[in-house]
Formats: sequence, C-alpha cells, structure tokens
Amino acid sequence: GENVEQHPSTLSVQEGDSAVIKCTYSDSASNYFPWYKQELGKRPQLIIDIRSNVGEKKDQRIAVTLNKTAKHFSLHITETQPEDSAVYFCAASPPSSGTYKYIFGTGTRLKVLA
Amino acid sequence: DTGVSQNPRHKITKRGQNVTFRCDPISEHNRLYWYRQTLGQGPEFLTYFQNEAQLEKSRLLSDRFSAERPKGSFSTLEIQRTEQGDSAMYLCASSPAGRTNEKLFFGSGTQLSVL
Repeated sequence: GENVEQHPSTLSVQEGDSAVIKCTYSDSASNYFPWYKQELGKRPQLIIDIRSNVGEKKDQRIAVTLNKTAKHFSLHITETQPEDSAVYFCAASPPSSGTYKYIFGTGTRLKVLA
Repeated sequence: DTGVSQNPRHKITKRGQNVTFRCDPISEHNRLYWYRQTLGQGPEFLTYFQNEAQLEKSRLLSDRFSAERPKGSFSTLEIQRTEQGDSAMYLCASSPAGRTNEKLFFGSGTQLSVL
C-alpha cells in the first residue's frame, strides 16, 4: 500500500525567511496531494493541493511542487510569519474504491521565530 | 460554523467501557470519513461512507469498532470494550460529490482518553 514519508519533523525559521517541507510517496498511482495545517487543538485545514497532472501550484505565499518521476512533493512557504507556526501534514491519495483515501505523512512542526 | 461538527470534543472513559462519537458532516457532502490521530502522527484512515453505505474499512478498525451512517447524514463511531491503546483523537471528515470530491474537510475531532 501507499506510504508517505515527511521531512523534517521539526523546522524553525526566522520570521521572513522561507520554509520548505518535503514528502515522498511510494504508490505511483497516487494522483492527488493535499497539504494540511493543524494548529494546536484545532482541526486540520487544507491549505493547498496539487493533482498529478500539474508540476507546481501557487497561492500567495504558499506553493507546492510535484515531481512524479521521483515521487516526491514539497511545500514552500515564503516570507514566513508567526501565524504560520503549526504542524503541517502532507498526504497522498491512491485511487481506492472510487474515493480519495488520504495517506498522511507524520507531520512537520514549523516554528516561526519573531 | 457550517463546517463538520463532532461531539463530544473530549471523552474520558475507563477501560472496558463503550463509547460513541457523533459526526455531522457539511450538509451537502455525501462522503464521510473517519480518521484516528495519535500524538505526533498524521491522521490514519479508518473507514469511509458514501451516503449510507460503508464502502471501505481499514485493518485498523478491529471488531470492537463499528461505524454507521443510517440516513446518509450524520455518522456515529462506537468503540466497545475500550482499551488504553484506543486513546487518540478521532477525526471525521466529509467531501462533496462531483468535481471537487477529493477535498476533505475535517471536524475538530473527539479526543478520547481511556484510563
């Protein structure tokens, strides 16, 4: 089955710097890759996603890149702000029963230092 | 808040007791998912409903776990004879039919502590 690895597990950056979180997946059939942000005690919230037919997607300060050949994808946050501090999860979704069953990475705790 | 709603937010129970959690998805979403999240880990898939039909269950879902969605709206997750290893955050998510059905919207979860 699908396996998703996420690195690093913790990341500290100075405010204004960029942060990059990387994930690899094992199932080449996976075709959808969302990223979720989870603040302490709150629900995971979708921040950006990418389909397998696209190599890059941007939304303001956030971007995701996908390398299908290497089976890895990355989250890039530019001009980080203290409110970006949270745990970030990547996920891959292999085709399954006609739905999108996410396999999540283990998370990256991002700390933005003011 | 018209998002996914879960009750209760917290549940403390003694080992061996039964517990039931409820999830109310976003009203127009016909797909509903249960995930389990332990400290320091990503959510793990448990089961999935399309309308009232339970279409997939993970191996993680032992026979002590049962989930229902009787009318295709809210769902319940019951754990019988709870064990300390069941302590986790139980997350519910829903997604719409159609073109954006890959996007899962999560509830705030039910934090279960088994003493």
